[in-house]
Amino acid sequence: EDQVTQSPEALRLQEGESSSLNCSYTVSGLRGLFWYRQDPGKGPEFLFTLYSAGEEKEKERLKATLTKKESFLHITAPKPEDSATYLCAVQDAGNNRKLIWGLGTSLAVNP
Amino acid sequence: NAGVTQTPKFQVLKTGQSMTLQCAQDMNHNSMYWYRQDPGMGLRLIYYSASEGTTDKGEVPNGYNVSRLNKREFSLRLESAAPSQTSVYFCASSEIGRSPYFGPGTRLTVT
Repeated sequence: EDQVTQSPEALRLQEGESSSLNCSYTVSGLRGLFWYRQDPGKGPEFLFTLYSAGEEKEKERLKATLTKKESFLHITAPKPEDSATYLCAVQDAGNNRKLIWGLGTSLAVNP
Repeated sequence: NAGVTQTPKFQVLKTGQSMTLQCAQDMNHNSMYWYRQDPGMGLRLIYYSASEGTTDKGEVPNGYNVSRLNKREFSLRLESAAPSQTSVYFCASSEIGRSPYFGPGTRLTVT
């Protein structure tokens, strides 16, 4: 069964304390993996798309990486404004329309 | 560009009442989606429209109907609201196979 699991469920960091969020997936064939940020009361905001193992994408303090079984979202020297829920979704190569979503990691960065 | 817009932002309904959630996008995307987001359940696809004139059921279509009015607009109708439909509803749009862009959401409470 296609599945996406994100860990940890919640993470609390001090400002400047780097860490990584994990998204592990099981699909028959990966077409793409997406990372989103969601602030309370708002819609998910697109961050990155990764298509193949070894690919990396960066944006400010965030870097996303991809292997054949999982993706990591590395947060370097986070700031309080990085506090949000980070969602991962996987697109199966056999179906271009449907995404399989993880439940997210809730990140809190304390000043 | 406004991106994806949704109306209303908030709604309270009584059991058995009906309503239509409106969604419009100005990114010229072919595909549009309706999701619901519930605590502990993540994002679940209700209906999607791969292109103007087509609609398909997602994971949780029961109790809902949709209309793809034109390329820009995709509405979601609850014919007889039930408490189990209390949720946050997100509309999204994308090019086929690409990451979706989300609207701000509609927070619906059914009493």
